[in-house]
Amino acid sequence: RKEVEQDPGPFNVPEGATVAFNCTYSNSASQSFFWYRQDCRKEPKLLMSVYSSGNEDGRFTAQLNRASQYISLLIRDSKLSDSATYLCAVNRWAGGGADGLTFGKGTHLIIQP
Amino acid sequence: DTEVTQTPKHLVMGMTNKKSLKCEQHMGHRAMYWYKQKAKKPPELMFVYSYEKLSINESVPSRFSPECPNSSLLNLHLHALQPEDSALYLCASSQDPGGGADTQYFGPGTRLTVL
Repeated sequence: RKEVEQDPGPFNVPEGATVAFNCTYSNSASQSFFWYRQDCRKEPKLLMSVYSSGNEDGRFTAQLNRASQYISLLIRDSKLSDSATYLCAVNRWAGGGADGLTFGKGTHLIIQP
Repeated sequence: DTEVTQTPKHLVMGMTNKKSLKCEQHMGHRAMYWYKQKAKKPPELMFVYSYEKLSINESVPSRFSPECPNSSLLNLHLHALQPEDSALYLCASSQDPGGGADTQYFGPGTRLTVL
C-alpha cells in the first residue's frame, strides 16, 4: 500500500456543484494532516489543516477518519477559481521533532462554467 | 505574514557548474525544509533542518549540499548535477519543530534546468 493515495482525477465538475475528495494514508502513527492547493507551475499553498473533530472554512470542510485512515475534503458551491490540483499531506512520524510531509499525487479539479 | 522567499526563480546550469539556491523566512520559524518536485509529481522531501541543525537527509545524492547559516536562511548548494535533477525546488518552513501538527508554508520555488 502506498503511503498516501489519492484519486488523480481529473474531476470535471459544473460551477456551483459540490465535490468531495478522499485521501488514504498507511502510517497509523501519523498525527498531522493537511490539504494543500497547487496551481499550475506554482507552489503548494495551505488550504486547511485537518483535525479529528473536523473543520470548516467557508465553502471548504475537511474531515479525518483515524479508524479507516483517510481524510476528506468537501468543496461546496464550487467556483471557477477552485480549479487546481489538491494535494493531501501527512506527516511522516508520530510527533517529536521537525517532520517532513508525504504528499499524495494530487487530485486535479476542473470547474466548468 | 506567512511568506517564504526563494531566489532565483529560474536557474539554468550546465552539468559542470556550481550554483546555489537560497531560501529566506522572517517568521521566526525554527524548522526549514527542502523538497523536490518533478513535473506532474508531488513534492518529495529532501532535507529537514531543525534549530539550524540538519535532522533529516532523505538519502539525497551528495551533489546536493544543504546549509543553514542562521535561523532565517537556508541554502542548497548544487554541483555536478545531472539533467534528471531538473525540477522545481521548494523550500518550506514551520514554526515549532517539536510542536506536533506543525504547518509548513512553502516558498514559490526555484525552477531548475540542468543542461
